[in-house]
Amino acid sequence: SYEVTQPTSVSVSPGQTAGITCSGDKLGDKYACWYQQKPGRSPVLVIYQDNKRPSGIPERFSGSNSGNTATLTISGTQAMDEADYYCQAWDSSTDYVFGTGTKVTVL
Amino acid sequence: QVQLQESGPGLVKPSETLSLTCTVSGGSISSFYWSWIRQPPGKGLEWIGYVYYSGSTKYNPSLKSRVTISVDTSKNQFSLKLRSVTAADTAVYYCARDGSDYAFDLWGQGTMVTVSS
Repeated sequence: SYEVTQPTSVSVSPGQTAGITCSGDKLGDKYACWYQQKPGRSPVLVIYQDNKRPSGIPERFSGSNSGNTATLTISGTQAMDEADYYCQAWDSSTDYVFGTGTKVTVL
Repeated sequence: QVQLQESGPGLVKPSETLSLTCTVSGGSISSFYWSWIRQPPGKGLEWIGYVYYSGSTKYNPSLKSRVTISVDTSKNQFSLKLRSVTAADTAVYYCARDGSDYAFDLWGQGTMVTVSS
């Protein structure tokens, strides 16, 4: 079965840039998206189709996807961005596969 | 705006069937793909499967033998049945919508289901 892996945790200082990676075989050939999940809450879509932001998502969230790696970048990280982040891949053969999740800590 | 709400028992006995329903309000279910996703306590997300409003379905291969997802367009609802549950099926179960972008743009609040005797 297809697997997508993420680092367990990422730490970032307020105002700095955080990068969260998502790795999978030929991930760049699939659609990648990203979710933010805060404790006790449902996930929220922050990036879809590799690099598109849904309405209402701040511009500091951006995404890319190439080769075997998708990346979520949070520029000018704020304390409110502290959360778990999950990537998710899709193609017609594997359907929806979630990454292992990354806890982002804003120190 | 469109909202999703899960409902069903919070406690299921081992070997029995877990049954949940998701009600779509503020919009029609007659479009999009509608999925069930679960998250065991302290762990990550797992896609269970989807149903299209026409009734076509697709399931996660790891759960396929135990899962049935169905839709009732007259009630604007879709449902999950997971058979022969064990403690490993204890999780928060979410219903969600794929907004035609291969991503889940709308989620329910989630419902905790515990498998225990």
